[in-house]
Amino acid sequence: EAQVTQNPRYLITVTGKKLTVTCSQNMNHEYMSWYRQDPGLGLRQIYYSMNVEVTDKGDVPEGYKVSRKEKRNFPLILESPSPNQTSLYFCASSLRQGASYGYTFGSGTRLTVV
Amino acid sequence: GENVEQHPSTLSVQEGDSAVIKCTYSDSASNYFPWYKQELGKRPQLIIDIRSNVGEKKDQRIAVTLNKTAKHFSLHITETQPEDSAVYFCAALPRGGKLIFGQGTELSVKP
Repeated sequence: EAQVTQNPRYLITVTGKKLTVTCSQNMNHEYMSWYRQDPGLGLRQIYYSMNVEVTDKGDVPEGYKVSRKEKRNFPLILESPSPNQTSLYFCASSLRQGASYGYTFGSGTRLTVV
Repeated sequence: GENVEQHPSTLSVQEGDSAVIKCTYSDSASNYFPWYKQELGKRPQLIIDIRSNVGEKKDQRIAVTLNKTAKHFSLHITETQPEDSAVYFCAALPRGGKLIFGQGTELSVKP
């Protein structure tokens, strides 16, 4: 089944403790992206990747890192999480940037930083 | 760059009525316009899309219309049911670029 898999689904952590949210897709998509969703603010893009080893900042990149060493994986790294990063996170993928096909979203990761 | 405005932010209708959500975009080169439905606690899922060479597209109770001249597109849901209650996002794709999302519309269908 074609899908985007995110882990974990739920995570509670403490301020400053490094964490990684994993994202993997099995559709051979070139384009992958991370979003955060907060009440009233819609989907805001954190980082995106157009292909292996090609990443770029989105609208709200501060406090986040990403890597794209393999085509299928696009982990989101929070080196020193803070409470303002408490949010619902979604990974998404598409055939390639600019392709007129919809994005496929992962199931989401609800992160709480205390 | 592209900017997408979505209205209304909340919409409440009675079961059986129609619901319309409208979006405007700024980049006349945008050529693809998907709509996503996000049920509570779940991922956004593509429900319908339209490309710039088409004016209208229907799929059972949902339809999307596109007016390229005015740079706006709309989602129409007829005979609404409680299971249509969700947040709906529109988006626009500038040529060669990445999807730009609207702010979302929370639709509530009251039985």
